[in-house]
Amino acid sequence: GAVVSQHPSWVICKSGTSVKIECRSLDFQATTMFWYRQFPKQSLMLMATSNEGSKATYEQGVEKDKFLINHASLTLSTLTVTSAHPEDSSFYICSARAQVGGEYEQYFGPGTRLTVT
Amino acid sequence: GENVEQHPSTLSVQEGDSAVIKCTYSDSASNYFPWYKQELGKRPQLIIDIRSNVGEKKDQRIAVTLNKTAKHFSLHITETQPEDSAVYFCAASLYGNKLVFGAGTILRVKS
Repeated sequence: GAVVSQHPSWVICKSGTSVKIECRSLDFQATTMFWYRQFPKQSLMLMATSNEGSKATYEQGVEKDKFLINHASLTLSTLTVTSAHPEDSSFYICSARAQVGGEYEQYFGPGTRLTVT
Repeated sequence: GENVEQHPSTLSVQEGDSAVIKCTYSDSASNYFPWYKQELGKRPQLIIDIRSNVGEKKDQRIAVTLNKTAKHFSLHITETQPEDSAVYFCAASLYGNKLVFGAGTILRVKS
């Protein structure tokens, strides 16, 4: 149980275009999902917290107008990178928060490798 | 906000030896401390976690200890094997909410 999928697994786009990444919880409902970004040889950095039915909460320094997050259902959150530039090239990983035995844990998606040319 | 420091950044051990990775956190309110193993290009994989009401937890060759007073926690891997080679991240969180990760430790197990 507690499986999280992401689509696509990798994408190449041209500078100036937009890219949408989907994060789905396959066998549980997630009112809260998280979006992380990981540059090569670096750690994971939280970009935003996505809450079902409400606006996302962005971390300091993350442009909310550039990284649009929509959490329209209990099993799907999307991240749209608008007007992508080469510096946005990164590994984007989502996670979904689930309650297991009275405690909360996060389950990670497989990640999406974005390359902007 | 929370800040997590992780040491060492790289660790090389001989197969069969033990490996220890240490993390410190800044926010005393944090109560959930997971450890992840990440292989190149893959998602982080939870290997063990500990909550603030417990001082130590063990799962076969892996153990984690937590010192709330000092605000540090450590990962212990015994009898290391080549397949343990990966990047390991510690993290801190409040009730499983947003995770703040350490910088990571590259573990190399030499056979």
